[in-house]
Amino acid sequence: NAGVTQTPKFRVLKTGQSMTLLCAQDMNHEYMYWYRQDPGLGLRLIHYSVGEGTTAKGEVPDGYNVSRLKKQNFLLGLESAAPSQTSVYFCASSYLARGRDYYGYTFGSGTRLTVV
Amino acid sequence: AQSVSQHNHHVILSEAASLELGCNYSYGGTVNLFWYVQYPGQHLQLLLKYFSGDPLVKGIKGFEAEFIKSKFSFNLRKPSVQWSDTAEYFCAVSINTGTASKLTFGTGTRLQVTL
Repeated sequence: NAGVTQTPKFRVLKTGQSMTLLCAQDMNHEYMYWYRQDPGLGLRLIHYSVGEGTTAKGEVPDGYNVSRLKKQNFLLGLESAAPSQTSVYFCASSYLARGRDYYGYTFGSGTRLTVV
Repeated sequence: AQSVSQHNHHVILSEAASLELGCNYSYGGTVNLFWYVQYPGQHLQLLLKYFSGDPLVKGIKGFEAEFIKSKFSFNLRKPSVQWSDTAEYFCAVSINTGTASKLTFGTGTRLQVTL
């Protein structure tokens, strides 16, 4: 199994440009998440989804939009990129489980985005 | 909302030294606790987790963590570190609702092991 696949792996944007990051998982997980990782700040949740067609805001949602039209895909969009969005973006997924059967998140390999 | 504090931002140890990384959380209810590791250039991987039961949890690669409820702590330990343990370590917490829920991560501790 591929697990969680993120595309692209690297991207450089100019301020004001838009782009979409794709996250795909083949584990039939119900939950999917987008985090950004910044030095000294750890991982902060941008948006998440608890199922197909549903999304919710996380800790730092401003400037981002998401969609989950299919269970296996979770898209993160930047409508008008800003230098403050320069970061490493990680997608993760998890299944709906209880107690000790829950093994936490499966992470993608990340997308390094630079906004100039 | 829950929060997680990792007070050690950068730790440098020699090989074979013992390791203890601090993690404290703030939430008054029942929580699930995790430690993740991120090797250079890679994604996060689960080291160990605590849900209930024995507060001493053993994970992969010789790591263990102890949940001390009275101190709201979940410190990570390893008796003897190796150079290959050089990585960034993240503590995370989720509220125990019995099902999967979103994780809140600490800011991470960068561990550097020297030969």
